[in-house]
Amino acid sequence: GNSVTQMEGPVTLSEEAFLTINCTYTATGYPSLFWYVQYPGEGLQLLLKATKADDKGSNKGFEATYRKETTSFHLEKGSVQVSDSAVYFCALRRGAGGTSYGKLTFGQGTILTVHP
Amino acid sequence: DGGITQSPKYLFRKEGQNVTLSCEQNLNHDAMYWYRQDPGQGLRLIYYSQIVNDFQKGDIAEGYSVSREKKESFPLTVTSAQKNPTAFYLCASSPDRGATEAFFGQGTRLTVV
Repeated sequence: GNSVTQMEGPVTLSEEAFLTINCTYTATGYPSLFWYVQYPGEGLQLLLKATKADDKGSNKGFEATYRKETTSFHLEKGSVQVSDSAVYFCALRRGAGGTSYGKLTFGQGTILTVHP
Repeated sequence: DGGITQSPKYLFRKEGQNVTLSCEQNLNHDAMYWYRQDPGQGLRLIYYSQIVNDFQKGDIAEGYSVSREKKESFPLTVTSAQKNPTAFYLCASSPDRGATEAFFGQGTRLTVV
């Protein structure tokens, strides 16, 4: 079945530091990949996505590249801010066809705390 | 504005009581989902529905029930059979079963006392 594995947290950084959160996946076929962000007490918001191999998703200074050869979708940001403190979830979704129902499969989430 | 509305934001219930969480969307999405989130854990799928009057069990359906009588609405009932119901519940919807992203509500925090 499909699965997503994220690096263990929590991650604590100083403002302006470089961020990497690793994400690897197992899936049949050609899934779409997503990063969602959750601020305290809120639902999830889509941060970025990539729908095919070698695509790069980007938003608000965050980037992730869909690497089929390494089955990875690592999240990066060159200079984090205090306001980036949140929980980050990597997720995949199979496309239509076969027995897939387009369900989202999530990683366990990584807590990021950024200090001034 | 289009979106997903979950209500209430906070819910308290006594042990042994059933409780229903509301989820409404005005995005005209076909698919809707219920997830449970516990501290330190990812999201676990409870139930999902691809079309009106049809729904499927997810990974942790025991102790929960749903209905999908209207495209816009997908209420979740937490029954007394659910052994540990205290959690954060998230509802989501997406346009179809394809490779598009899901949109989430703000969540309902259920506390059973």
